[in-house]
Amino acid sequence: AQKITQTQPGMFVQEKEAVTLDCTYDTSDPSYGLFWYKQPSSGEMIFLIYQGSYDQQNATEGRYSLNFQKARKSANLVISASQLGDSAMYFCAMREVMTGNQFYFGTGTSLTVIP
Amino acid sequence: DGGITQSPKYLFRKEGQNVTLSCEQNLNHDAMYWYRQDPGQGLRLIYYSQIVNDFQKGDIAEGYSVSREKKESFPLTVTSAQKNPTAFYLCASSIESAGTILAKNIQYFGAGTRLSVL
Repeated sequence: AQKITQTQPGMFVQEKEAVTLDCTYDTSDPSYGLFWYKQPSSGEMIFLIYQGSYDQQNATEGRYSLNFQKARKSANLVISASQLGDSAMYFCAMREVMTGNQFYFGTGTSLTVIP
Repeated sequence: DGGITQSPKYLFRKEGQNVTLSCEQNLNHDAMYWYRQDPGQGLRLIYYSQIVNDFQKGDIAEGYSVSREKKESFPLTVTSAQKNPTAFYLCASSIESAGTILAKNIQYFGAGTRLSVL
């Protein structure tokens, strides 16, 4: 079974609008971390935001927030006030404490911001 | 500036040739990783190393080899046994020292190396 599932291969959003990128995960480990990365066309993976399985509050970092629904095993990324520079691939990832050393990545969502 | 440096940015391999991709970090991170990314796909783990002189295979280690002689360096060799090496290769590192929350240890990435076969 896939550890991380991103069901939206491509998304479009109007500049200045908000957009939600979906991510569901599969784990039996009670302790895990969830991460979102941005990959622009240059290729480098840029860390955006982290959510721990025991965190009570949804994580926020500037225009990025993570809608964490533990019972549904979803960790959707919300980007507010989209900018043209947000156009990129976005990857959701998970790290389990049990397996410890491996990050599991989804297949990514390509976001295009339309002026 | 602290960071992860991968070189070269572009690399071409001839048939039957071994090539080595460089990855250096000055973040004083304990763990280092190599990933392969194919078009339209996510990242797949090739090898990782938590400490010097020790490393483990990831999901797609066949046809690749690594070494970890220094904490800062984790070179990846793509051997002639790897029949389909054309891909984008990313190196990453994370801090893993005692006292950190394991699940929270963020991986930081280099800019990547694009490998093509001539």
